[in-house]
Amino acid sequence: QVQLQESGPGLVKPSETLSLTCTVSGGSVNSSNYYWSWIRQPPGKGLEWIGYIYYSGSTKYNPSLKSRVSISVGMSKNQFSLKLNSVTAADTAVYYCARSPIMSPGGWFDPWGQGTLVTVSS
Amino acid sequence: EIVMTQSPATLSVSPGERATLSCRASQSVSSNLAWYQQKPGQAPRLLIYGASTKATGIPARFSGSGSGTEFTLTISSLQSEDFAVYYCQQYKDWPPWTFGQGTKVEIK
Repeated sequence: QVQLQESGPGLVKPSETLSLTCTVSGGSVNSSNYYWSWIRQPPGKGLEWIGYIYYSGSTKYNPSLKSRVSISVGMSKNQFSLKLNSVTAADTAVYYCARSPIMSPGGWFDPWGQGTLVTVSS
Repeated sequence: EIVMTQSPATLSVSPGERATLSCRASQSVSSNLAWYQQKPGQAPRLLIYGASTKATGIPARFSGSGSGTEFTLTISSLQSEDFAVYYCQQYKDWPPWTFGQGTKVEIK
């Protein structure tokens, strides 16, 4: 059974870069069958898809964040990472990693990590 | 970008009653729609994909229907563990994949 776990700093200063890692257990990011996504949820609000990476390294990003976001596969192939630069208070959110099937039509998210709260504050 | 609109924002239901949640897309998403349940402090859990296919382990009281722009999630007889926030998500057109704003199902 695949499990995902987010990790990274819980506090980031404004204008700095938010960096998170998702560790996949029971499976591999190096699988041709899935996309690996980041999704966020500001406190008390709804869900926003940030972007995904495919095992080949190809990526897709939400146009609203594209200029600031980067998703990459980790060295271990069981990790993928998110970088969001020039953060502001509006980037304060719980950040989730999740998996999507590439089968057409695929694009639902299952499973999800437990999420990690990142607060942007000086 | 496809905008997903859920209604109502809050649904008050007594245990054992039926709950009907709606999700509307700003343009057709065919059957490329998923539903999630989120309880406080937890990650969302996939309930339905393909508009009507239940995910593994999801109880029979949950059902999804619709296609095109109009979708419904029905919980046939609400149990105490079903009180939560429910989100719909389209995956027809991307980027970006988009979510509705959520419907909170609360105890009446």
